[in-house]
Amino acid sequence: GENVEQHPSTLSVQEGDSAVIKCTYSDSASNYFPWYKQELGKGPQLIIDIRSNVGEKKDQRIAVTLNKTAKHFSLHITETQPEDSAVYFCAASSYGGSQGNLIFGKGTKLSVKP
Amino acid sequence: KAGVTQTPRYLIKTRGQQVTLSCSPISGHRSVSWYQQTPGQGLQFLFEYFSETQRNKGNFPGRFSGRQFSNSRSEMNVSTLELGDSALYLCASSFSGAYPTDTQYFGPGTRLTVL
Repeated sequence: GENVEQHPSTLSVQEGDSAVIKCTYSDSASNYFPWYKQELGKGPQLIIDIRSNVGEKKDQRIAVTLNKTAKHFSLHITETQPEDSAVYFCAASSYGGSQGNLIFGKGTKLSVKP
Repeated sequence: KAGVTQTPRYLIKTRGQQVTLSCSPISGHRSVSWYQQTPGQGLQFLFEYFSETQRNKGNFPGRFSGRQFSNSRSEMNVSTLELGDSALYLCASSFSGAYPTDTQYFGPGTRLTVL
């Protein structure tokens, strides 16, 4: 079955710097890659997603890139702010199915120092 | 509109007991999924319900069960609790459960501690 590896497990940056979180997946059939942000005491919130027919997607300060050949995808946050501090999860799956096919990485705790 | 609500938010039980957790999805959402979140295993899918039917099930023992009511509210039950069941249990709802066209909204979770 699908396996998703996420690195690093913790990341500390200065406010204004960029942050990059990387994930690799094992199942070449995976074609949907969402990213979630989880703040303390809250459930995960979808922040951006990408499908396998797209190499990059941007939404303001957040971007995701996908390399299907290497089976890895990355989250890029530019001009980080203290409110970006949270745990970020990547996930992978074959869309067309239901929620049960979503496999999550173990998470990255991002700390943005003012 | 109101988000996904879960009750209770915190729960302490002892080994061998059973527990029932409740989830109220966003109004109009018919798909409810349950996840277990632990530091060691991360987020793991438990099961998904749609229109009162279990549509998908993760790799968890039969001690974990759930149901969905006609108003889409869902409950999950864990019987014969073990120490390893201590976790944050998250509920998520979406309109039809057919991502990526459907966004899944998570609740704040129920923190279960088994002593």
